[in-house]
Amino acid sequence: DGGITQSPKYLFRKEGQNVTLSCEQNLNHDAMYWYRQDPGQGLRLIYYSQIVNDFQKGDIAEGYSVSREKKESFPLTVTSAQKNPTAFYLCASSFGFGGNTGELFFGEGSRLTVL
Amino acid sequence: QKEVEQNSGPLSVPEGAIASLNCTYSDRGSQSFFWYRQYSGKSPELIMSIYSNGDKEDGRFTAQLNKASQYVSLLIRDSQPSDSATYLCAVNTGNQFYFGTGTSLTVIP
Repeated sequence: DGGITQSPKYLFRKEGQNVTLSCEQNLNHDAMYWYRQDPGQGLRLIYYSQIVNDFQKGDIAEGYSVSREKKESFPLTVTSAQKNPTAFYLCASSFGFGGNTGELFFGEGSRLTVL
Repeated sequence: QKEVEQNSGPLSVPEGAIASLNCTYSDRGSQSFFWYRQYSGKSPELIMSIYSNGDKEDGRFTAQLNKASQYVSLLIRDSQPSDSATYLCAVNTGNQFYFGTGTSLTVIP
């Protein structure tokens, strides 16, 4: 079955640690995205990538980093510079970008808690 | 002004009734419009997409788009308790997807 796989589903981090969230898709989608969801604030875009080896900052990129070495994979690293990392992180993908985006599909999410 | 605005609710309807969810957006150049359902603790699930003015029906769901009024709505007919969730409106401006904060719907048996 085609879809987006995120791992881990739950992650606990001590302050000062970097953590990496995995996102893999087998939908053959060109564009991939990372969103953060906090209660009452909706989804906010962290980073997005239209093609391999290219990615752009979203609205809240500070304290995060990404890579896009393969079309299928778009991992997100939450660095120690992110001051309030406790949140629900959602990876998504779409067929295209811009005027030919199509629909956005989400993975199951990763819930990060800082201890 | 937010890009996408929704009434946060909560909205409560009895089982079998019609639930009406509304969304307005600010960018007149927006090209595509989506409704997602999100159960508590889960990721958003796409339930409807609409690209042109008018109505689009899929089973018990009808999406309505009025670009002149910058308004998108979702009607859920014959509401079921399993429809109880938060509904997110999303708009693609051609550059980015923007999401509303969601409307919480409770269907009372």
